[in-house]
Amino acid sequence: DAKTTQPPSMDCAEGRAANLPCNHSTISGNEYVYWYRQIHSQGPQYIIHGLKNNETNEMASLIITEDRKSSTLILPHATLRDTAVYYCIVSYIYNFNKFYFGSGTKLNVKP
Amino acid sequence: GAVVSQHPSWVICKSGTSVKIECRSLDFQATTMFWYRQFPKQSLMLMATSNEGSKATYEQGVEKDKFLINHASLTLSTLTVTSAHPEDSSFYICSARDVGRTEAFFGQGTRLTVV
Repeated sequence: DAKTTQPPSMDCAEGRAANLPCNHSTISGNEYVYWYRQIHSQGPQYIIHGLKNNETNEMASLIITEDRKSSTLILPHATLRDTAVYYCIVSYIYNFNKFYFGSGTKLNVKP
Repeated sequence: GAVVSQHPSWVICKSGTSVKIECRSLDFQATTMFWYRQFPKQSLMLMATSNEGSKATYEQGVEKDKFLINHASLTLSTLTVTSAHPEDSSFYICSARDVGRTEAFFGQGTRLTVV
């Protein structure tokens, strides 16, 4: 599976958009980009995923560059409850979501 | 979304004893589940792939005789930590994916403390 690179931490003001970047320059055509987050002492929570098109759901938007080598997770109006570690994971489409986690980004939402 | 449940949420055991952790898919069938381990302030580390009706596949460096995995039905996988020692204390998490979907869901995790 392709490796991902994320900044170790980011700050965001409450109510503002949080934009979390992820680099996955070695991604292949059969690999999805997944985003999960983990709030302290809980299991990871699914946020969104995509293959090559931009995606949006009730939680977030996922912007994937045209060359697919990087992506950005956007939380449109961050709240204090969005404080968590966010993981960007690239995984082969047919492996039932066998994930190799990187270090993730700790997002700190501040009042 | 699909629900994956683990039991127990936390357990304390004495050194040398064995502990069983259950992972259930509540509203879907899962032929494949995954077990992860997470130490404090670290990321999740994949331990093994649990396959229904067949042997589990372990990641390099994970002792298969130490961490016994059984996936006897399409909704249940169990992880047994045998002869547990304090260094096995960790947060154990499972995940599963419904065959009709392309995203996996994780259990809430099990905090194991070996004393």
